[in-house]
Amino acid sequence: DAMVIQNPRYQVTQFGKPVTLSCSQTLNHNVMYWYQQKSSQAPKLLFHYYDKDFNNEADTPDNFQSRRPNTSFCFLDIRSPGLGDAAMYLCATSSLGTSGGRKYFGPGTRLTVT
Amino acid sequence: AQSVTQPDIHITVSEGASLELRCNYSYGATPYLFWYVQSPGQGLQLLLKYFSGDTLVQGIKGFEAEFKRSQSSFNLRKPSVHWSDAAEYFCAVGVDTGNQFYFGTGTSLTVIP
Repeated sequence: DAMVIQNPRYQVTQFGKPVTLSCSQTLNHNVMYWYQQKSSQAPKLLFHYYDKDFNNEADTPDNFQSRRPNTSFCFLDIRSPGLGDAAMYLCATSSLGTSGGRKYFGPGTRLTVT
Repeated sequence: AQSVTQPDIHITVSEGASLELRCNYSYGATPYLFWYVQSPGQGLQLLLKYFSGDTLVQGIKGFEAEFKRSQSSFNLRKPSVHWSDAAEYFCAVGVDTGNQFYFGTGTSLTVIP
């Protein structure tokens, strides 16, 4: 089945050690999103790609970067993780080039920072 | 700036009782509106969405939502709650200029026997 895949499901990293989270999709959607969800909070949009066009939210820290080498893959790079970056990171794709398109979410990667 | 508000952080209902979860948005035009459910440790599942047309939309699991333009609201309802409905519910707004998609703060639902 077509889907959104996130690897790994659980990631442990050390304080200050760079970490990369991966998202892939078999849906051929042109929009991909990264969200950060802390415990008992709503998912917060970090950035999104429309094709190769990168769109950063104004309040996304510089510590967070993203790459989209092709339609299928999108990566979230955290350059120097702090304890406050421990969260669930959700990737999503959208079926249309507008925000009205249905969003398909991956299962998430839970990041622990020690 | 657009925003999504869910006034109720936590709601407790008895099994079999009716349910209404509130959602208000702030946006200059009519946005795309969604409701998602998230069970503990699980991903987000789409319950229903509103784009245009009939303001009462039906979703999965017996949920429905009504768009009221005059109140900038998109409240989620279910006539009879089941214990398996206990979860976190998120209202979300899609903004057409820029593909942004924002979540409300969420409402945690507890169902008691």
